[in-house]
Amino acid sequence: DGGITQSPKYLFRKEGQNVTLSCEQNLNHDAMYWYRQDPGQGLRLIYYSQIVNDFQKGDIAEGYSVSREKKESFPLTVTSAQKNPTAFYLCASSFGFATIYFGEGSWLTVV
Amino acid sequence: AQTVTQSQPEMSVQEAETVTLSCTYDTSESDYYLFWYKQPPSRQMILVIRQEAYKQQNATENRFSVNFQKAAKSFSLKISDSQLGDAAMYFCAYRSANTGTASKLTFGTGTRLQVTL
Repeated sequence: DGGITQSPKYLFRKEGQNVTLSCEQNLNHDAMYWYRQDPGQGLRLIYYSQIVNDFQKGDIAEGYSVSREKKESFPLTVTSAQKNPTAFYLCASSFGFATIYFGEGSWLTVV
Repeated sequence: AQTVTQSQPEMSVQEAETVTLSCTYDTSESDYYLFWYKQPPSRQMILVIRQEAYKQQNATENRFSVNFQKAAKSFSLKISDSQLGDAAMYFCAYRSANTGTASKLTFGTGTRLQVTL
């Protein structure tokens, strides 16, 4: 089935650790995105990529990094520099100006 | 910068009744897209309806319709014949049609809709 797959669904991070969230899509979409969701704040854009090997910072990029080596994949690394990483993370993709579609999300908790 | 405002944190509707969720936005652009997304307890974001700003006709999708007032920068969602499965968080979102900022989808803070028997 076509869609956006995020893994893992639940992830726990220790203080000072880097963790990577996976996002894969088989929709042949050019653009991919990462959003963070906190209670009462809607979704905020972390990074986005419109083309392979290129990406731009969103509104809250500090403490995060991404790569776009393949069209289908857009992994997000939450680094130790992100001081408050506990949140729900949503990956999304789109083609041109069409609708942006979302994956099922990943929960990250700091322990 | 564009902003999206949803002034109703929570709404309640009885099953089979109609409810309207409000959304206003601020932009200096003339060409853009507006969306309503639904987020059920599973947390996945599901597209409900989409409106192109250049279209005067309001979008409809089965029981869902919008009232798009471009001059007033208002984009409300009407849900008719409400069903228990409509209970969710609803987000209004804005997307520019300008190439340089095309990727940016800006969300409101959401409205939690409760459907009662």
